[in-house]
Amino acid sequence: LAKTTQPISMDSYEGQEVNITCSHNNIATNDYITWYQQFPSQGPRFIIQGYKTKVTNEVASLFIPADRKSSTLSLPRVSLSDTAVYYCLVGDIRTYNTDKLIFGTGTRLQVFP
Amino acid sequence: GAVVSQHPSRVICKSGTSVKIECRSLDFQATTMFWYRQFPKQSLMLMATSNEGSKATYEQGVEKDKFLINHASLTLSTLTVTSAHPEDSSFYICSARATAINTEAFFGQGTRLTVV
Repeated sequence: LAKTTQPISMDSYEGQEVNITCSHNNIATNDYITWYQQFPSQGPRFIIQGYKTKVTNEVASLFIPADRKSSTLSLPRVSLSDTAVYYCLVGDIRTYNTDKLIFGTGTRLQVFP
Repeated sequence: GAVVSQHPSRVICKSGTSVKIECRSLDFQATTMFWYRQFPKQSLMLMATSNEGSKATYEQGVEKDKFLINHASLTLSTLTVTSAHPEDSSFYICSARATAINTEAFFGQGTRLTVV
């Protein structure tokens, strides 16, 4: 499993765009990048997943450069409710169904009014 | 989306007693479920992989006799904390994935265990 590195914490204000970058230098050809969000006292929930270039859904965008050694989760116009811990994970799509997910430190995002 | 339900959401027990936590996949079958433990301000730590119909696979350093895992059906896995001690107080989270490929992991809401 490719190791990931993220900033421990980030601060932002309501209405701003937040970009959280994750490094995964040892990513393999069949690895996908997935981001999860966790609120206090809750289990994580899926935000977005991608392989290369850009993926966008109703919650966020995921930017992945050509070398795929990093990825950036972009949250547009954050609100107080986006305060959470965000985890970046990398895993082989061929065995994703059964592979265990190993969580790194995650990025603790604090949004201020 | 798929739902994973954990029960109870919080439990308080006395030292020396055992506590069972249930994890159910409500609308899909899961041959594999995962159990995590999370201490305050820390990340999720994988404890074990629960396999339907076979023995669980424990991560290094996790006592299999203390954390009993049973995965009796494709929709239910249980974690029993035996002879609980205050240091076992933690947030326990289960996870499951649907059998279809290329799908995200779904997590239960977690169980807050407090041992007094």
